[in-house]
Amino acid sequence: DTEVTQTPKHLVMGMTNKKSLKCEQHMGHRAMYWYKQKAKKPPELMFVYSYEKLSINESVPSRFSPECPNSSLLNLHLHALQPEDSALYLCASSRGTARYNSPLHFGNGTRLTVT
Amino acid sequence: EDKVVQSPLSLVVHEGDTVTLNCSYEVTNFRSLLWYKQEKKAPTFLFMLTSSGIEKKSGRLSSILDKKELSSILNITATQTGDSAIYLCAGTSYNTDKLIFGTGTRLQVFP
Repeated sequence: DTEVTQTPKHLVMGMTNKKSLKCEQHMGHRAMYWYKQKAKKPPELMFVYSYEKLSINESVPSRFSPECPNSSLLNLHLHALQPEDSALYLCASSRGTARYNSPLHFGNGTRLTVT
Repeated sequence: EDKVVQSPLSLVVHEGDTVTLNCSYEVTNFRSLLWYKQEKKAPTFLFMLTSSGIEKKSGRLSSILDKKELSSILNITATQTGDSAIYLCAGTSYNTDKLIFGTGTRLQVFP
């Protein structure tokens, strides 16, 4: 088990559904991240939050909407997804951001299938 | 463009063997290199290396960075089936909070 908790573990949704992925950490980390990982590929960065402010958006389509309600929580709201969005979505946190030499700690991910 | 390249892509060994995984990097304003182990889900952090050249060790795993060669190696001695995983390395930069991941090395250890 990791110290970054993601829910749900699995999610199947239709293209017209709205759902949310949740991530929580209680390590006092001030940076949180969303990554997308396809099979046999490395994680791809989607968003970075630093001190609850969005600092990086890697040109992610607007059907993915991140939210950071407080320093311990990170959500990813999903709407009108496409089948190609099916992937493992990983949340990570770090004490400071990556440029400050803070290693990322990953959650176990949410396996998303879009039908 | 920044990039991180890992080799080999895949490695199959028997328990007890020693393996060396390679990672080379071209990262603007390079800061550090991170090694992760990914089994089924979460990548787990192994080591952070900087240009200081200090070797990091944890049990049977060790890693070092060569700043002249812009590369790092991850050694695993006396491999066990539990070492079977994808090993990812990622570069960090002073310029950005984005990790630059390599494609990973898939290690399979058979009894």
